[in-house]
Amino acid sequence: DIQMTQSPSTLSAFVGDRVTITCRASQSISSWLAWYQQKPGKAPKLLIYKASYLESGVPSRFSGSGSGTEFTLTISSLQPDDFATYYCQQYNSFSWTFGQGTKVEIK
Amino acid sequence: QVTLKESGPALVKPTQTLTLTCTFSGFSLSTSGMRVSWLRQPPGKALEWLARIDWDDDKFYSTSLKTRLTISKDTSRNQVVLTMTNMDPVDTATYYCARLGYCKGGNCDCGGCFAYWGQGTLVTVSA
Repeated sequence: DIQMTQSPSTLSAFVGDRVTITCRASQSISSWLAWYQQKPGKAPKLLIYKASYLESGVPSRFSGSGSGTEFTLTISSLQPDDFATYYCQQYNSFSWTFGQGTKVEIK
Repeated sequence: QVTLKESGPALVKPTQTLTLTCTFSGFSLSTSGMRVSWLRQPPGKALEWLARIDWDDDKFYSTSLKTRLTISKDTSRNQVVLTMTNMDPVDTATYYCARLGYCKGGNCDCGGCFAYWGQGTLVTVSA
């Protein structure tokens, strides 16, 4: 199975900060990567698919980039509603796999 | 409006078989390109994909769990069922069903991403 590694595991930031989360795949996944946001006690929410395509209804401060084995999720100006855990997921090949998550906390 | 909801037992004993049902609305699993998956998340841990079933009854399973999983659909009832055999305390988790992005024509950019999720159901495995 393809291993997905996110960094950092935890990130502390201020409202208004630019935040970047990195996701690395153990082998090339082309652009078949999605990003999700999860808040405590809730189901994940799709933010980005195919590495850089913004899901409908997701604020434009979220963006994704990368291909091959290295990907990033960027929040251009962190808002109070953005404090959550973020997961990357590859869907290049079975079994589909997720990263371990990055928790974005208030500084 | 697409909705999904998981149902099943909250508590199962070790070695028992778990049966979960996903009841959905807002789409039909008989429509070409539609796919539904099950995933789980142990408390405080990451997400894990378990299984997928497609409109044409194709089925796919997690490599590590495929010997224990069976996924099926009842199109007339708008339901997808997951069974997991030989339950163990490490299988304690919130189990989610999710609909994948719709593949239409040649466009399957979100064919493997989870666009719609149920609320999840917590299953505890304990004697």
